[in-house]
Amino acid sequence: DVVMTQSPLSLPVTLGQPASISCRSSQSLVYSDGNTYLHWFQQRPGQSPRRLIYKVSNRDSGVPDRFSGSGSGTDFTLKISRVEAEDVGVYYCLQGTHWPPYTFGQGTKVEIK
Amino acid sequence: EVQLVESGGGLVQPGGSLRLSCAASGFTFSDSWMSWVRQAPGKGLEWVANIKQDGSDKYYVDSVKGRFTISRDNAKNSLYLQMNSPRAEDTALYYCASGNMDVWGQGTTVTVSS
Repeated sequence: DVVMTQSPLSLPVTLGQPASISCRSSQSLVYSDGNTYLHWFQQRPGQSPRRLIYKVSNRDSGVPDRFSGSGSGTDFTLKISRVEAEDVGVYYCLQGTHWPPYTFGQGTKVEIK
Repeated sequence: EVQLVESGGGLVQPGGSLRLSCAASGFTFSDSWMSWVRQAPGKGLEWVANIKQDGSDKYYVDSVKGRFTISRDNAKNSLYLQMNSPRAEDTALYYCASGNMDVWGQGTTVTVSS
């Protein structure tokens, strides 16, 4: 199974400041069709997960443009350009290239300092 | 409005059985792979199973193989998870999600305890 490793696991951020979350996979996530099935999810306290980014860098509808995804192969990053209070929650990466099983990262908890 | 609504959770004894349901609306259910994803209390997300559009292909995480069965009824726009012989470690909030995981339900809680 592909292991997804996120860092840091806890990220205290000052409002208005940038934040960055790393996600590394135990093997390349490039699929035979040329796509890379690495996605990012946000889970606010008490809410269901919400997909933010699909296939590395594509923002879902309604996702603010302060969120961006980048990376390739085995190294990926989710960036928040200026953290707002509503961004508090846990962020997960998910690989959908080598399945079954789909595998999530452990989660990164973003909180306001 | 695109929506997934889970039901059927509750308290179940180890070795018992429970059937979860997920009602879909607002999108073409029969065109979508569907998944179950769970979250143990205070823990992260774990994919459990998925099923192809016509139900012909099903996949499971190793820990539930042989105990859980995913199924669907496209005429009823519904997804199911039959949980047989549940264990304490299956205690979690169970979400249904679209195949691309761009739509999630609110979850239904399963507690396995005697």
